[in-house]
Amino acid sequence: EPEVTQTPSHQVTQMGQEVILRCVPISNHLYFYWYRQILGQKVEFLVSFYNNEISEKSEIFDDQFSVERPDGSNFTLKIRSTKLEDSAMYFCASSVGGSYSPLHFGNGTRLTVT
Amino acid sequence: AQTVTQSQPEMSVQEAETVTLSCTYDTSESDYYLFWYKQPPSRQMILVIRQEAYKQQNATENRFSVNFQKAAKSFSLKISDSQLGDAAMYFCAVQDRDDKIIFGKGTRLHILP
Repeated sequence: EPEVTQTPSHQVTQMGQEVILRCVPISNHLYFYWYRQILGQKVEFLVSFYNNEISEKSEIFDDQFSVERPDGSNFTLKIRSTKLEDSAMYFCASSVGGSYSPLHFGNGTRLTVT
Repeated sequence: AQTVTQSQPEMSVQEAETVTLSCTYDTSESDYYLFWYKQPPSRQMILVIRQEAYKQQNATENRFSVNFQKAAKSFSLKISDSQLGDAAMYFCAVQDRDDKIIFGKGTRLHILP
């Protein structure tokens, strides 16, 4: 069964550095999402992306964050200047359709900001 | 590797009735957490209920309760007195002590008026 893949599985970066988290969604999927989970807390929605533009974003997704689909396969989340509080698990997800279409999650990237 | 299986892609229930969403999982960990998340069309993730594997008592949260069977690795969600606002995708998830979390594929719940 096709899977959503995320790389790296663990990223360590220094505060103030830029970081790019990479995701390869399932190939025929059209909708893409990023979520995060700060350790010990609940999963939070960051952003949804469709047709090469952001469909929706949460309050967490401020100017420090950006997403891009640079080619036909990758979907990236960039954090421009990381803060300590950006340390979390970041999950990419994709679906064929929009709302209520089954959502396929990647295994996550653990970001540690020191 | 951890896996989570939600065998019901879609379910329907009459308003005010009770519905049970099934979830089975596999993990080699002895200590872990289990979750049910509700996802409305906006794709937000709303935590419904959380269960710690070392606790035998089933978690409850108002109309939501779970039937946690650790030996069977089963974690079903019961919604009592279903309301129209309960219509959503529901995801089961398991998280180990290293915070690795795996989601099921989701169950879409319809509430019939």
